[in-house]
Amino acid sequence: GQQLNQSPQSMFIQEGEDVSMNCTSSSIFNTWLWYKQDPGEGPVLLIALYKAGELTSNGRLTAQFGITRKDSFLNISASIPSDVGIYFCAGRTGTASKLTFGTGTRLQVTL
Amino acid sequence: NAGVMQNPRHLVRRRGQEARLRCSPMKGHSHVYWYRQLPEEGLKFMVYLQKENIIDESGMPKERFSAEFPKEGPSILRIQQVVRGDSAAYFCASSPGTSGSRLSYNEQFFGPGTRLTVL
Repeated sequence: GQQLNQSPQSMFIQEGEDVSMNCTSSSIFNTWLWYKQDPGEGPVLLIALYKAGELTSNGRLTAQFGITRKDSFLNISASIPSDVGIYFCAGRTGTASKLTFGTGTRLQVTL
Repeated sequence: NAGVMQNPRHLVRRRGQEARLRCSPMKGHSHVYWYRQLPEEGLKFMVYLQKENIIDESGMPKERFSAEFPKEGPSILRIQQVVRGDSAAYFCASSPGTSGSRLSYNEQFFGPGTRLTVL
């Protein structure tokens, strides 16, 4: 089946640093999504990408849809303590269908 | 505008009992998805339903698991004769489908999950 691999698996950074994480797939997706999950909660949608090469920002977050349609990255600028959590990428092949989730990147921010 | 609601938030069952998980989608959403998350893993798709129809159940185990989304009321994920391996967090997501004018409006929004523990 389809698999999404995220890297790094976890990272410790200092407040104010920029963060970069990526997601790669063995299959092509036509939608890439990035979610953040806090402990004990459901994933919250951060950014949605619909076109190969698309670069989209949401505040301090920027994500890009890879031109091969097999990868995506997420950048967080000037990290703050509330950025702590697990970030998941997700891909979709249809317009209203299941999401395939990545393995997650756990982010911890130190003061 | 209430988000996706799931109940109960925590559920404890003994082996062999039945578990019923409920999901009320966001207002105006007619598509419901169920996902399962094991500790330290990503979410795995189980089933996709529209009102009174199962659209895609390719992620559902063949036995003991069933889902419904009736014309009235919440969507139900039912697990019969639970085993310890069923212990996980179960998340429901909803979307309006393809009727939205903006693509991002058609995305899936998740509930807080039900954490099932099988003793």
